[in-house]
Amino acid sequence: GAVVSQHPSRVICKSGTSVKIECRSLDFQATTMFWYRQFPKQSLMLMATSNEGSKATYEQGVEKDKFLINHASLTLSTLTVTSAHPEDSSFYICSASASRETQYFGPGTRLLVL
Amino acid sequence: AQKVTQAQTEISVVEKEDVTLDCVYETRDTTYYLFWYKQPPSGELVFLIRRNSFDEQNEISGRYSWNFQKSTSSFNFTITASQVVDSAVYFCALESGGSYIPTFGRGTSLIVHP
Repeated sequence: GAVVSQHPSRVICKSGTSVKIECRSLDFQATTMFWYRQFPKQSLMLMATSNEGSKATYEQGVEKDKFLINHASLTLSTLTVTSAHPEDSSFYICSASASRETQYFGPGTRLLVL
Repeated sequence: AQKVTQAQTEISVVEKEDVTLDCVYETRDTTYYLFWYKQPPSGELVFLIRRNSFDEQNEISGRYSWNFQKSTSSFNFTITASQVVDSAVYFCALESGGSYIPTFGRGTSLIVHP
């Protein structure tokens, strides 16, 4: 089956620093990758959709300058949280899709900003 | 517009009890897909089932079963003889309107006590 990995699985950083999260499709080429954010005891909220080689499409209310997304290849997308603050602490989940039918989810990254 | 309602925020049962998780959806489209995902404490989303709107047959997979009723716009999930390992948050999701980006419900936290 399709496998999506995320790295790191957990990160703790100081306020003001930037954090990069990687999302990789291990056994398929992902034309589209998605980034979600999940606060404790809440549902997944889509942050942005990225297609390989083009700019990401951000959902309303998501700051594109704060959450930089790069989808440089068909197997890798990165999310960089710039100048992270405690309110950015959350669980970030990526998913990848090779077709317009199924998304495969990564294991998630827990970010804690002190 | 599409919407998924999981009215049960938290359900607590004792091992071996049967439990049903409710999911009610809204969409104007005739073609759509419904999903259930399991999110254990580790955070990774585990895909359970994908059902298209033209297939109303109920499905059984081991202790899991799903009841799709278009007349009531519901896609309920039953776990028979629950086990402690079933403890997790379960999300129902809907894709419709040609979009392959799912709308997630708020999730139901299932706690199975030994």
